[in-house]
Amino acid sequence: DAGVTQSPTHLIKTRGQQVTLRCSPKSGHDTVSWYQQALGQGPQFIFQYYEEEERQRGNFPDRFSGHQFPNYSSELNVNALLLGDSALYLCASSSGTGKNFGPGTRLTVT
Amino acid sequence: KNEVEQSPQNLTAQEGEFITINCSYSVGISALHWLQQHPGGGIVSLFMLSSGKKKHGRLIATINIQEKHSSLHITASHPRDSAVYICAVSPANTDKLIFGTGTRLQVFP
Repeated sequence: DAGVTQSPTHLIKTRGQQVTLRCSPKSGHDTVSWYQQALGQGPQFIFQYYEEEERQRGNFPDRFSGHQFPNYSSELNVNALLLGDSALYLCASSSGTGKNFGPGTRLTVT
Repeated sequence: KNEVEQSPQNLTAQEGEFITINCSYSVGISALHWLQQHPGGGIVSLFMLSSGKKKHGRLIATINIQEKHSSLHITASHPRDSAVYICAVSPANTDKLIFGTGTRLQVFP
């Protein structure tokens, strides 16, 4: 049984570009949360999706948007990239009890 | 002040030592998580606690809800325990996590 998977593993983008990151939750999990982890910091909550809707949102600008598909997989989109968006983006899936984290996507904005 | 505080920030130990990492939080919670993060980023969930104590192998986690405090203990530490250990809480009535900044542990042979 695959756990949480994320793609791509690494990504380099230029300021002003747009990026889409993908997450497939663990089998049986219906809730997906996204976190941003800057170097040397703890992860920060971006938003959470459940039943294809954004259920909760952290303190991130509207440039950060997402989507959840009927199969519970999710995408994180970031528009108009800034240098400060360089970070590890983590996806976590859950269903009632317990959370599983993906390996993360490391985004570098140059 | 952060809602989740961990101490120490950095910890070095000799193989075999008993290790304690502390976590204090200031919000009402439904659960507290201890997580392990290795270089490269992947996070592994070690424990989810809402009360009392849990043990898994050489790892023990305790929580005191009244004092808003939790500890993670590692007995007979080993170099493979070297990682960043992160405390995270789920605020009451939400499923999101608020993370501490982590404790970087290095265990030397």
